[in-house]
This record gives sequence, structure tokens and C-alpha cells, in this order.
Amino acid sequence: ETGVTQSPTHLIKTRGQQVTLRCSSQSGHNTVSWYQQALGQGPQFIFQYYREEENGRGNFPPRFSGLQFPNYSSELNVNALELDDSALYLCASSLGVSNQPQHFGDGTRLSIL
Amino acid sequence: DAKTTQPPSMDCAEGRAANLPCNHSTISGNEYVYWYRQIHSQGPQYIIHGLKNNETNEMASLIITEDRKSSTLILPHATLRDTAVYYCIALPTGANSKLTFGKGITLSVRP
Repeated sequence: ETGVTQSPTHLIKTRGQQVTLRCSSQSGHNTVSWYQQALGQGPQFIFQYYREEENGRGNFPPRFSGLQFPNYSSELNVNALELDDSALYLCASSLGVSNQPQHFGDGTRLSIL
Repeated sequence: DAKTTQPPSMDCAEGRAANLPCNHSTISGNEYVYWYRQIHSQGPQYIIHGLKNNETNEMASLIITEDRKSSTLILPHATLRDTAVYYCIALPTGANSKLTFGKGITLSVRP
């Protein structure tokens, strides 16, 4: 059973640029959730995708967007990068949306200069 | 979602049981208690969850009080690899299972 994989592991961008982060869900999982984790804080929910549709969104501006593909892999896109976007971005997959445990990847560390 | 509160840190000796407390006094009847942990430089790892009965798996035991206002995660024989931040989360049943993480409790296992 392949776990959740994220790419790239590290990324450096400058303010105003755009970035795309990728996530492959665990085999058999059809739900992907994205979280942002600032240094020293717990992860914060960005949004969730279930069967290619957005299924809930946290308190993040529209410049954070996502996609889920037919194979249930997912992308997180962030436009007009700001210094505060520097964080660890975590992807988690699960089966369905009803209380099945979420399984996390090890994240993408994004640094904005 | 119910708010959970955890002490900021605790430690225990290697080989001893680690008992991690969590308060969730406003939990509603349809909210599960979930525990995750995050080892440094890794993503969170699911440990266990329960509604009202005590639960046990290969990693840990979860003891929920009868009034469901608090719970304890028990690692029966802590090892150095159990050093991590442990998060207790109350999650309602139903759609949009977003996890609301607090700051968690940092467990340090000493040799």
C-alpha cells in the first residue's frame, strides 16, 4: 500500500510568484485535504476535495485554489505569493468524508523571499 | 466543533506509560475524539479515535470519561521515537471532515 506522497519537498519562491504543489493520495482514497502549517503552530485547514469537487474550505483567500484529478491526486495552487505564505503545506487523504482517519504526507516546505 | 485543551508539554521515562490528557468539556454527542501525533519534520500521523467507548489498537489506548468531557491517550511503553507533538481533536460525524488542530502537547521521552 503506497502512502501519501507530496512534491516537491522544498521550494523557494519570491513574492508575487505563483506555485503549484502536488499530492498523490493513498491507494483507494478518494478524498484529499490540504493544510498549511506555520512554524510552531498546528496545521490549518485550507480545503478538501471529494470526487473532484471542493467539499469545504477554511479561512483562506481565493488566491489559494485546488484541483483533484480522476485518479484522486490533487494540486494546490497559490497565486500572488506573500511572505506569510511561507509554511509547510500538508496533504492528507482519506476514504470518503465521514470520519475516516486522514493519512498525511510529509509536506512541502515553501519559503517565500 | 468542540474546543479541546491540552497542557503544553510533558515528559516521561523510556519504557514507562505515557498518559496524555485532553479536555473537551463542550463536546457534543456526535463528536468523535481523534488523536494524531507529529514527529519533527514529518506529517501528522493518525493514532486512534473513539466516540464513547474505550479503544485500543497497536499504537495506543484511548480512555474517554463517562461524561465525555475529557480523555486520556495512553502509550503503554514509551520509546524515544514517541517524542512528538500530540494533538487531540474533536470531530463531528458527517460531511467535510476537516481537522482543527490546536497547539497540541509536546511529549518528550527521556532515556
